[in-house]
Amino acid sequence: QKEVEQDPGPLSVPEGAIVSLNCTYSNSAFQYFMWYRQYSRKGPELLMYTYSSGNKEDGRFTAQVDKSSKYISLFIRDSQPSDSATYLCAASSGTYKYIFGTGTRLKVLA
Amino acid sequence: SQTIHQWPATLVQPVGSPLSLECTVEGTSNPNLYWYRQAAGRGLQLLFYSVGIGQISSEVPQNLSASRPQDRQFILSSKKLLLSDSGFYLCAWSRGEMPTDTQYFGPGTRLTVL
Repeated sequence: QKEVEQDPGPLSVPEGAIVSLNCTYSNSAFQYFMWYRQYSRKGPELLMYTYSSGNKEDGRFTAQVDKSSKYISLFIRDSQPSDSATYLCAASSGTYKYIFGTGTRLKVLA
Repeated sequence: SQTIHQWPATLVQPVGSPLSLECTVEGTSNPNLYWYRQAAGRGLQLLFYSVGIGQISSEVPQNLSASRPQDRQFILSSKKLLLSDSGFYLCAWSRGEMPTDTQYFGPGTRLTVL
């Protein structure tokens, strides 16, 4: 079992939809979580950083952590074609090493 | 503001040839630096990280090595490339305050070993 798992997609949604991207993890020691957006052949771009459980909102993006279920989510409101990319989640137990998921490919259709 | 550079952007090398990839960060001092590899269908794999000049920690034993000759310079090397070394190599930096500080990635180097 991988420590951090993501559905690879692709996930296709119409423009303006609310998108839900999810990761599950197996290590209960994970407390620090990040979400990245990666366009094709580019470096990942940091979207959200969260610690422990709860929600964090930044513009159209909301990150949610449910430690009891070992489940993290990224919601994108009013999705745009420019949001079409691969979304990576990452988790750490408090060390330098973040474990990354393989990413979910999102397509927002105009 | 901080900027991270990587070069070259693309590289095609024969098996058995040496490798040198360079990463530099501007606009910050004493950063933590990281090298990752991203292979098709796989997540980012941490290869090396450094918390200071000359300090390198290896996460995955393989035929790659890393060096940090200056505060904001990180180099990934190999003496002899293998086919399995092909991939997208990403350098990242974070503030040197907490191990879990957010990491910011460079544009990457796409390496193809033939």
